[in-house]
Amino acid sequence: SQQGEEDPQALSIQEGENATMNCSYKTSINNLQWYRQNSGRGLVHLILIRSNEREKHSGRLRVTLDTSKKSSSLLITASRAADTASYFCATANPQIIGGGSQGNLIFGKGTKLSVKP
Amino acid sequence: DGGITQSPKYLFRKEGQNVTLSCEQNLNHDAMYWYRQDPGQGLRLIYYSQIVNDFQKGDIAEGYSVSREKKESFPLTVTSAQKNPTAFYLCASRQGGSNEQFFGPGTRLTVL
Repeated sequence: SQQGEEDPQALSIQEGENATMNCSYKTSINNLQWYRQNSGRGLVHLILIRSNEREKHSGRLRVTLDTSKKSSSLLITASRAADTASYFCATANPQIIGGGSQGNLIFGKGTKLSVKP
Repeated sequence: DGGITQSPKYLFRKEGQNVTLSCEQNLNHDAMYWYRQDPGQGLRLIYYSQIVNDFQKGDIAEGYSVSREKKESFPLTVTSAQKNPTAFYLCASRQGGSNEQFFGPGTRLTVL
């Protein structure tokens, strides 16, 4: 049951440019998280935004959430070659078994970001 | 050095064999998860455990089994009933009350 869908599937930019990735989801959520995955590695948590928040910042990351459109965006400013990775959104859905307070997440398919030096 | 470890990093299996993937965490987390990732795809939940001696099926549990005899360990067995087991397997853990999941480095399983 895929909840989140990232857009675009792949993104290629030059170092120093900004990268924007979008995530759309289908049902109500408690929160939405963004994770990063370097090739062949595990995922690393980047940022969490709760359903009652509209925007959140963490260093060069800016996340927005529009619950009326069921969408979120992740902006990476002043990108670096080291930002090259796949980025996934994950939603905590209180309506699914194990969701809500039990913490089960539903992941999208990810956006593959390539930052060229 | 706290974290979550998976072993082995690469695993090769002949058709018809059962194999067990190890997942250990020293973060004192209550919940643990197993995911499967296929190329270009997101993560799909196989099994999860919220507490020792209890576990639940996820979205794609058929052909897999788990145990949770200790808080720090959550091994996954890929049985011969799993018809397409070649994939990247990720284990994660989560502290109760938090939504953030911590992931291990993954095990790449290939069926020969």
